[in-house]
Amino acid sequence: DTGVSQDPRHKITKRGQNVTFRCDPISEHNRLYWYRQTLGQGPEFLTYFQNEAQLEKSRLLSDRFSAERPKGSFSTLEIQRTEQGDSAMYLCASSPRSSGRAGEQFFGPGTRLTVL
Amino acid sequence: DAKTTQPNSMESNEEEPVHLPCNHSTISGTDYIHWYRQLPSQGPEYVIHGLTSNVNNRMASLAIAEDRKSSTLILHRATLRDAAVYYCILQGAQKLVFGQGTRLTINP
Repeated sequence: DTGVSQDPRHKITKRGQNVTFRCDPISEHNRLYWYRQTLGQGPEFLTYFQNEAQLEKSRLLSDRFSAERPKGSFSTLEIQRTEQGDSAMYLCASSPRSSGRAGEQFFGPGTRLTVL
Repeated sequence: DAKTTQPNSMESNEEEPVHLPCNHSTISGTDYIHWYRQLPSQGPEYVIHGLTSNVNNRMASLAIAEDRKSSTLILHRATLRDAAVYYCILQGAQKLVFGQGTRLTINP
């Protein structure tokens, strides 16, 4: 399968702990996106990379959140000092350079985070 | 971000056509209209997109009003596997701005 992959699929942690999620986009897709989805809501945009450059960050991305995409391939999303409100599905998507604004984004299966 | 309005839920029968409406009265001239769907426990999946003209693909058809203030996603022959939440999105920049979507139920 050559789709977007995310790891882990599920993460349970205690409040105050740090967690890190990984996203592997479709090969040669230069754009990578992170979204967050809480129960019953549509996904909300968090941040977007073009190659290794982080070009846009949502105000939802507080100081406790950091995302990286070294070398423009896989990406990591780290949450420090987790809070119960961070419990959500974290979705990663990628799209090719050629797609522009019109093209589709390919989503991964998501990482479900539960903060106890 | 331009806003879309969709019914919270719709129901249809298997093998019948389904018309999912979306209102977007504040659409700008450069916004693309995208539709994604999300099956239970999966990430969203692209369905179709358009700018001004109606569009067809293997999954669905997109009918866009002449003034572009509304659009309709058409599933020509619904199957049980089409049961999902359908999102109508206006894309003016790189990010997708999802609303609540329409939860589509298909009855056998």
